[in-house]
Amino acid sequence: DAKTTQPPSMDCAEGRAANLPCNHSTISGNEYVYWYRQIHSQGPQYIIHGLKNNETNEMASLIITEDRKSSTLILPHATLRDTAVYYCIVRFNNAGNMLTFGGGTRLMVKP
Amino acid sequence: GAGVSQSPSNKVTEKGKDVELRCDPISGHTALYWYRQSLGQGLEFLIYFQGNSAPDKSGLPSDRFSAERTGGSVSTLTIQRTQQEDSAVYLCASSLGSSYNSPLHFGNGTRLTVT
Repeated sequence: DAKTTQPPSMDCAEGRAANLPCNHSTISGNEYVYWYRQIHSQGPQYIIHGLKNNETNEMASLIITEDRKSSTLILPHATLRDTAVYYCIVRFNNAGNMLTFGGGTRLMVKP
Repeated sequence: GAGVSQSPSNKVTEKGKDVELRCDPISGHTALYWYRQSLGQGLEFLIYFQGNSAPDKSGLPSDRFSAERTGGSVSTLTIQRTQQEDSAVYLCASSLGSSYNSPLHFGNGTRLTVT
């Protein structure tokens, strides 16, 4: 399994960009990087995923380094509602391709 | 459109009773997954379905747990003779296919409390 390493917690000022790092140094060539977040009492919410190119959608941007050993999730203008636990997951080609969640980063957006 | 729907949202049961948890996936999604999350813990994978088949049941914690899916849509997770350690949030997710390029979309879970 390709494991991920994330800082346990981060703070960000409201209105500023939140940059959440993730290390996945053992990632294989056909494994995707996924980001989810979980707000208290809700199910995990899909944010974005990518293979090797940078990706952007209405929620966030995903920057993957050229060697694919790390990535950064960027929330361009963090709001208080972005306070959540953010999970970086490497999805490998196992049977069923289920996601294996680690500890995540607890992001606290402060006014 | 409608997301993944789970019912009930909360369930309190007495130790030893059986419970059934229901999941309605997003329409057209062929893959369906069950996870559970104990208080303050990470997500633990239980089982997945591709269509009505469950190729991998190794994540189910004991033989008291079973799941089925009918018509390639609704799924039911059944826990027999519930124990206090079964208390957790049970989460269901679905995806368009089981390819690892197909995101999982989660419901908000069923919070099970065994007294």
